[in-house]
Order: sequence, then structure tokens, then C-alpha cells
Amino acid sequence: KAGVTQTPRYLIKTRGQQVTLSCSPISGHRSVSWYQQTPGQGLQFLFEYFSETQRNKGNFPGRFSGRQFSNSRSEMNVSTLELGDSALYLCASSSWAGVAKNIQYFGAGTRLSVL
Amino acid sequence: SQQGEEDPQALSIQEGENATMNCSYKTSINNLQWYRQNSGRGLVHLILIRSNEREKHSGRLRVTLDTSKKSSSLLITASRAADTASYFCATDWAQGGSEKLVFGKGTKLTVNP
Repeated sequence: KAGVTQTPRYLIKTRGQQVTLSCSPISGHRSVSWYQQTPGQGLQFLFEYFSETQRNKGNFPGRFSGRQFSNSRSEMNVSTLELGDSALYLCASSSWAGVAKNIQYFGAGTRLSVL
Repeated sequence: SQQGEEDPQALSIQEGENATMNCSYKTSINNLQWYRQNSGRGLVHLILIRSNEREKHSGRLRVTLDTSKKSSSLLITASRAADTASYFCATDWAQGGSEKLVFGKGTKLTVNP
């Protein structure tokens, strides 16, 4: 079974631009969660999608948004990029809804650098 | 904040030794999970322990949970160089119909050959 796939692996953008990251979950998994990892703040939860609906959301500004498609693939968008958005963005999938109850299977991440 | 805190922040040991990492959290939980992350990569789930469990084993891993002290420990026995990674505990957080997984800052383990 293929794991969680995130594309692209690396991305360089400049301040003010927007970016879209993609995540393909493990086949059969319907829950997709996104996390931001930085050296200073550690791993922080962004949001969880299940069956195309956002179920949970972390404490991030509205510049961070996401969506999930009918095939469970998910995209995350960050608009008006700031230097502080430089981070490793991780996607995780799970069989069931409920990000806190279930084992999360993580992708390798997208390393975003904002210049 | 319910964020878990791992202790120590960094640990360096020799191959064959045991490694113990601790995690403390602030509010009551339903379950606690441990994950491993190799440098700059995604996380790999190691073990999930529920609040009504006190100890759980998986191969060379032993996890304990003490809900009265709001703490958990991860023991890796007979460590190998391949165990070099960062280890995170994650607790469930729920409030007002919303839930999330809250990660600690991690323990960076180095196993020297």
C-alpha cells in the first residue's frame, strides 16, 4: 500500500506570494490533517478534513486554508506569504475521523522557504 | 496550553544502551501517542496508549503512562544507530466540539555506534 504522498518536496517563494501544497492520503483513508513544523514552535496542528469537510481547525490566521476532494486528496493554500511561514508542512492521513483519537500516518513533508 | 513537554531535549548514548524519554502534559487525556521523526522527514507512529492503560510494549519499546502525574515515558531497549531520531509525544485535546493532536517539542536521540 502506498504511503502518504506530498508534493512538492521543496518550495521557494517570496513574501507576498501564495502557495498550494498537495497531499494524497493512503488509499482508503478519508481523514487528512495538516501540520506546520518550525524549530521555534514545534509541530502545530493546522486543520483536519474528513469527507470533504473541515472538521477541526488550529489557531492559524485565515491566510491558511485547505480543502479536500472527493477522492480524499487534500490541498493546503497559504496566501500572502510571510517570512515566518517558512516551515516543514506535514500531511497525515487516518482511516477514521477524529484527529486526536486515531493513529496518524505522515507524509515526508513539503519544505517551504519564504525569502 | 496542553502541549506536552519531553525531557530531556537531547540524549546521546552508545549502541546497546537503553534510552528513556519522558513526556509531561497539563490536562486530562484520552490517549497518548509516541512518534519518531528522522531528520527533516515525516513522523512515524510508534505506539498509542489509552488513559486506562498503564504500560504497553512493542518490540524494543516500552511505554508507561501515569495519569495521576500526567506523565509518560518511552523506553527503547538495546538501542541501535538506526534509532537516532527525534521522538515526540502527542496528546489529544478537545474543547467545544473541536479536537486536535498536540505535540511536544521532542527529544533528540543520538545513538553512537
